[in-house]
Amino acid sequence: GQQVMQIPQYQHVQEGEDFTTYCNSSTTLSNIQWYKQRPGGHPVFLIQLVKSGEVKKQKRLTFQFGEAKKNSSLHITATQTTDVGTYFCAGRFQGAQKLVFGQGTRLTINP
Amino acid sequence: GAVVSQHPSWVICKSGTSVKIECRSLDFQATTMFWYRQFPKQSLMLMATSNEGSKATYEQGVEKDKFLINHASLTLSTLTVTSAHPEDSSFYICSARFSLTTGYFGPGTRLLVL
Repeated sequence: GQQVMQIPQYQHVQEGEDFTTYCNSSTTLSNIQWYKQRPGGHPVFLIQLVKSGEVKKQKRLTFQFGEAKKNSSLHITATQTTDVGTYFCAGRFQGAQKLVFGQGTRLTINP
Repeated sequence: GAVVSQHPSWVICKSGTSVKIECRSLDFQATTMFWYRQFPKQSLMLMATSNEGSKATYEQGVEKDKFLINHASLTLSTLTVTSAHPEDSSFYICSARFSLTTGYFGPGTRLLVL
């Protein structure tokens, strides 16, 4: 079936270090979304990428969508303790209306 | 922004009972709603797609007779877990489709079956 693979599963960093999570699909996506879920909370929408090669920034967060629309990444610069949580990518395959979630990357930070 | 609510936010029930979870889009009409389940430390798994006025489409491996979905109006979809068992304990989250490419998640319902 259509899957979205996300790595790493866990990432522990020192506060101030950078963090990156990657998502990859075997088939072309029509768009990809990124979510953040705090412990005990629900997923909160961060951003949607639609165009090939698209790059979007939100303060310290940089989101990229690959040229082939099969991979995406989320990069956080100079992490802060408020960045703690699990980051999910969710891809929508062409012709489909449902989102397929990646496994998520749990980010923990040492202050 | 668009708001989606879920009720109840958490529920504890005895094994064998049925539990109904409501998902409402508060400020927009949603012809399509999605129901997800999330087990601890795992990702969101789509259970079914709920379309207003028609039968829900279930994902492979999800029992339609156990997880009854009703989408009777453009702002409300319900998920009923029938004859719940401890293994059904999970975090159930709905998402209401706002546009062709955008949906909004509800806050989720935590179900614990004793």
